[in-house]
Amino acid sequence: AQKITQTQPGMFVQEKEAVTLDCTYDTSDPSYGLFWYKQPSSGEMIFLIYQGSYDQQNATEGRYSLNFQKARKSANLVISASQLGDSAMYFCAMREGRIYGQNFVFGPGTRLSVLP
Amino acid sequence: SQTIHQWPATLVQPVGSPLSLECTVEGTSNPNLYWYRQAAGRGLQLLFYSVGIGQISSEVPQNLSASRPQDRQFILSSKKLLLSDSGFYLCAWSSELVNTDTQYFGPGTRLTVL
Repeated sequence: AQKITQTQPGMFVQEKEAVTLDCTYDTSDPSYGLFWYKQPSSGEMIFLIYQGSYDQQNATEGRYSLNFQKARKSANLVISASQLGDSAMYFCAMREGRIYGQNFVFGPGTRLSVLP
Repeated sequence: SQTIHQWPATLVQPVGSPLSLECTVEGTSNPNLYWYRQAAGRGLQLLFYSVGIGQISSEVPQNLSASRPQDRQFILSSKKLLLSDSGFYLCAWSSELVNTDTQYFGPGTRLTVL
């Protein structure tokens, strides 16, 4: 079964508008972490934001915020005031438990295109 | 601050030739290190990870191997490349000393096997 699901292969948004990228996850471990990464056409994976399973508040980092709904097992990324430079692939990832290594899984990604 | 380097940036190799990709991390000690492969238009596949010098765990049995000869150096190798080894190879590091479990990635190596 897929651990991380990103149901939107591609998304379009108008410049300066907000956009939400969906991510749902599957785990039975009470301790986990959720991550979002951006991959521009250059290929580098850029860390954007992190949410821990025990965090009470939604994470925010500048124009990025994570809409964490624990009961629904969703961790959607919200980008406010989109910019042309936001056009990229976006990956949701999860770390289960506290053991490093194989318990870090990525979703298939969503390609975001920002329109001028 | 921490930085991660990978080289070469791009590589074109014939089938059957050897491979050596290098990854080094600066600015942190005893990092956890990872090798991922990304096929064109796909997500990331974890290949190897290491929690210390000489300690390598393999996630997918394949034509590749990894070594960690020094604390902050991680090498991905192959004795004989296959066509299916083509892809984008990313090295990453994490550390309990820095934002516990976030993985930070290098710029990647784009490998084409002909």
